[in-house]
Amino acid sequence: DTAVSQTPKYLVTQMGNDKSIKCEQNLGHDTMYWYKQDSKKFLKIMFSYNNKELIINETVPNRFSPKSPDKAHLNLHINSLELGDSAVYFCASSHQQGYTEAFFGQGTRLTVV
Amino acid sequence: AQSVTQLGSHVSVSEGALVLLRCNYSSSVPPYLFWYVQYPNQGLQLLLKYTSAATLVKGINGFEAEFKKSETSFHLTKPSAHMSDAAEYFCAVSDNSGTYKYIFGTGTRLKVLA
Repeated sequence: DTAVSQTPKYLVTQMGNDKSIKCEQNLGHDTMYWYKQDSKKFLKIMFSYNNKELIINETVPNRFSPKSPDKAHLNLHINSLELGDSAVYFCASSHQQGYTEAFFGQGTRLTVV
Repeated sequence: AQSVTQLGSHVSVSEGALVLLRCNYSSSVPPYLFWYVQYPNQGLQLLLKYTSAATLVKGINGFEAEFKKSETSFHLTKPSAHMSDAAEYFCAVSDNSGTYKYIFGTGTRLKVLA
């Protein structure tokens, strides 16, 4: 069983479109995250949720809207996609944030053309 | 605020040679530190973690790291490199001040030469 699973793995779309990435974890963790990895491999936190509550919104454009229907799911919806949104997006989860490791999904490679 | 610095964006070693990947942290509170490995087109996999227990931490695949408070360092080592170790390595610190995030270094790409 995959601990943190993301779909889709690859996403190619045109500028201006709206797209969603889904994430599910089966680890029973309370905290989930979205990270963005740019072309230089730099990982930056976008959002953090704890028990379905938004804790961190790290100066992300409001075109990005996370939604957590329950503790096991954290989805990312992106409106009006721009070329600069092209990146790999990682979902992660952890138990007792900070005191244990985060588990990462396989990533979603988003390409905006 | 916590931060992490990884010295050397690219490191090359010969197969069988010592691997040393450097990580220095900045933290106003006792840090929790992690090393992750990322293979091409994959997610991040935990190698090892320091959570204020033993200062020498052993991880998977023969890697280990030593927490040195006086040097604010958490360098990753492996005595003998294998071709399969070629990957991107990330050092991370948890922001355990209650803001729910892990802060990553810029990564070090390890190349293993035959």
